[in-house]
Amino acid sequence: AQTVTQSQPEMSVQEAETVTLSCTYDTSESDYYLFWYKQPPSRQMILVIRQEAYKQQNATENRFSVNFQKAAKSFSLKISDSQLGDAAMYFCAYRSTNYNDMRFGAGTRLTVKP
Amino acid sequence: DAGITQSPRHKVTETGTPVTLRCHQTENHRYMYWYRQDPGHGLRLIHYSYGVKDTDKGEVSDGYSVSRSKTEDFLLTLESATSSQTSVYFCAISEGGTGRSKQFFGPGTRLTVL
Repeated sequence: AQTVTQSQPEMSVQEAETVTLSCTYDTSESDYYLFWYKQPPSRQMILVIRQEAYKQQNATENRFSVNFQKAAKSFSLKISDSQLGDAAMYFCAYRSTNYNDMRFGAGTRLTVKP
Repeated sequence: DAGITQSPRHKVTETGTPVTLRCHQTENHRYMYWYRQDPGHGLRLIHYSYGVKDTDKGEVSDGYSVSRSKTEDFLLTLESATSSQTSVYFCAISEGGTGRSKQFFGPGTRLTVL
């Protein structure tokens, strides 16, 4: 079964600075999707960004971008110009192309310091 | 925001009692999912549905059952609640059943089993 590992339980960043959250995964599949979700104190799960494994180009959504290294099975999230509203739990997730199972990492709690 | 509601939002119950959580969607999406969220584990899939009366087990299905009699409603039942089922439960929906389709999450239900 696929596993997703987030090795940083907590991270902190200064407002306006850049921070990178790490994620690695284990799979034998060649085609799949990777996601970053944000969970603020409200508990709502918000999709931040999605990467399709067959695309070499790294996904970007405004201040959020990923560094997808397929051979290394690594999928990190970079947040530029960090804002106070970015403070949340961030979850990395893997989803197979062919199956309904979606696997989540344990999460990284991001603190943004003013 | 996707039209997903969960009820109740909070529930406290006693060990051995039956509990039913409801997920309601207004998006007419075919696929619906139940996850539980626990510290250190991220989200884990309990059961999912790929159509009316069509359901399947996820990673942590023991002790849970589900039913889907209408497209818009997906019920999660704990036949005899145990303290290990204290958790936050999330419902999710997606138009398709693979990673090509994004999953949208409901607001969550916090369940405490005493």
